[in-house]
Amino acid sequence: QQPVQSPQAVILREGEDAVINCSSSKALYSVHWYRQKHGEAPVFLMILLKGGEQKGHEKISASFNEKKQQSSLYLTASQLSYSGTYFCGTELRWPSHGSSNTGKLIFGQGTTLQVKP
Amino acid sequence: DVKVTQSSRYLVKRTGEKVFLECVQDMDHENMFWYRQDPGLGLRLIYFSYDVKMKEKGDIPEGYSVSREKKERFSLILESASTNQTSMYLCASRPLSGSGTDTQYFGPGTRLTVL
Repeated sequence: QQPVQSPQAVILREGEDAVINCSSSKALYSVHWYRQKHGEAPVFLMILLKGGEQKGHEKISASFNEKKQQSSLYLTASQLSYSGTYFCGTELRWPSHGSSNTGKLIFGQGTTLQVKP
Repeated sequence: DVKVTQSSRYLVKRTGEKVFLECVQDMDHENMFWYRQDPGLGLRLIYFSYDVKMKEKGDIPEGYSVSREKKERFSLILESASTNQTSMYLCASRPLSGSGTDTQYFGPGTRLTVL
């Protein structure tokens, strides 16, 4: 079941904040966040684990609410370089070696973020 | 740095042709994946492989097949290309260290156009 991201698109001015949500209908082991700039490969931002703490990376941080099966990505004081499409990838169980049906991520449909000067 | 490479950035093929997309990773990762990316639909999994010669269907395997004869190489095959397979194709690999914190690394993508 594909997770649902919201909003689908957001336009910001430099310095403004944004929140991107990722909701799953199934219990999750982890949530992985990626950013993809136009014409480039998705780049890993951070991973949130069940039972783990909120993660941070410069002015980008994320949380994972296990009860709601929802993760949120927080972009603070946005910069032009934050523009791109953000994807969440969800994982249902701990990834184990040599086993089928593990190691897969199910990705949301993406949220397009545009930061304007 | 992890490197995932794909054989072509852009490819134009004709309907009915057999198409091969190649992906190579240089970090001895166990898992490899093929996705297609279409506007508004995100990344959809076509096939993945968790070991050499082992493969599993993803969410949209119809019209595709895969081959993994060596650990570092994962090929996507379109047996008879159709116009609805025009898309961006992304390959990814993932280690499984046992920590539970590994993530996927993506290649640059192949933009395939089927005429």
